[in-house]
This record gives sequence, structure tokens and C-alpha cells, in this order.
Amino acid sequence: ETGVTQTPRHLVMGMTNKKSLKCEQHLGHNAMYWYKQSAKKPLELMFVYNFKEQTENNSVPSRFSPECPNSSHLFLHLHTLQPEDSALYLCASSQGTSGVFAYEQYFGPGTRLTVT
Amino acid sequence: TQLLEQSPQFLSIQEGENLTVYCNSSSVFSSLQWYRQEPGEGPVLLVTVVTGGEVKKLKRLTFQFGDARKDSSLHITAAQPGDTGLYLCAGLSNAGGTSYGKLTFGQGTILTVHP
Repeated sequence: ETGVTQTPRHLVMGMTNKKSLKCEQHLGHNAMYWYKQSAKKPLELMFVYNFKEQTENNSVPSRFSPECPNSSHLFLHLHTLQPEDSALYLCASSQGTSGVFAYEQYFGPGTRLTVT
Repeated sequence: TQLLEQSPQFLSIQEGENLTVYCNSSSVFSSLQWYRQEPGEGPVLLVTVVTGGEVKKLKRLTFQFGDARKDSSLHITAAQPGDTGLYLCAGLSNAGGTSYGKLTFGQGTILTVHP
């Protein structure tokens, strides 16, 4: 039981579609993250939210738009994506307080996105 | 940019064999985490090592953090088919004392243990 859920698990969308990915954490954490996992590449950090405020944007194209309405929910809004955006999108959370173990990240199962 | 080089990328062994996965960097990390990921799932945290030279054991898995906190290794004794998966190392850097962690991930090691 992971404590971090993501929906949908699979998504196929055309390049002109608009869709959203949802992440919810039930761990009482304060920091939430979006990662992109592509074949043969390391996990890429996309965005970080800490106490609902965006603190990191790793030069992500504007066709990806994150939203964090509260500390438990994180969205990734997708618009006019490209086929190379096809990947596994992972959400994670961490305590976001002090102490080295507070940085341990707990991942959701991911959304497998295919852009056609 | 911090990089973590993980090796080997692929490992295919028979049940009962021992193996070691390495994670190396030229950068110093505050701590290093190891994750295991199964197909169709997200990474699951196995361990965090914090102190240079630290050794942690998790049943048949032994994790070591280098003295200079730039490298780490994962050793599995008597591997079992259930150990099959993608193993990821991730170094934590939180320069500036942020309360969230920026993880730099290695490319991963795909381990297959054959019965």
C-alpha cells in the first residue's frame, strides 16, 4: 500500500487534446513532486511543490502545467503534447520538514502516457 | 549539474548468485537513497544512507555509502527471482537548506534473476 495514488494509470491522447493527471497523497506530507521517466534515461525531476508553493521548475515546456490546490493533491495539466512526451509520469511526496529522513520520497504507481 | 553513474545497466544471473550494483559520482551528496521499481509501478524506497562509510543491511541486501559520500554500492547475497526489478540510486542535494529534497537519479540497473 503506497500512500500515493495516481489517476489515470494509462492515458492515450492526441497532440491536440487537453488532459490532466491527478496525484493524491495520504501520508500527511508537505512536499510533492512530478517526475518523468523515459526509457534509457534517468528519472527527470519536473516540478516541486512545497507547502503548496511551486519551488522548482526544471525548465519544463509550458505545455505541462502543474497545479497544487493543497498539500495532498497535485495535478499535471497537459496541452498540445508531442509524441516525445510519451513516458511514465510519476508523482512523489516527502515530509518536507527538517532531518535527512524527511527527504525520503514516496512514489505513486505512475501514469503511462502515450501521445499519438 | 550533478550526475550519478550507475553500473552495470543490465544484470542477468541465476538464483543463488551474489551481485553488486555500483553508484558513482564526482559530487558529494547529503545522503543517498536506493529504490527498487517493478514493471508498471513506481519506485519503492529500500534504504537511505547518510554517514560516510555507513553500512546498512536489509535481509540479503547490504548497502554501503562511500567515505567521501560520493559513491554507494548495493550487494545482494543469494539472489532470488523475487529480487528481479529495476534498482535506482538517488543522491540528495538540498543546498540552501530547503525543506524538500532534490534527488539526482542514476540510470538504473535492470536485474533479472532466473530460477
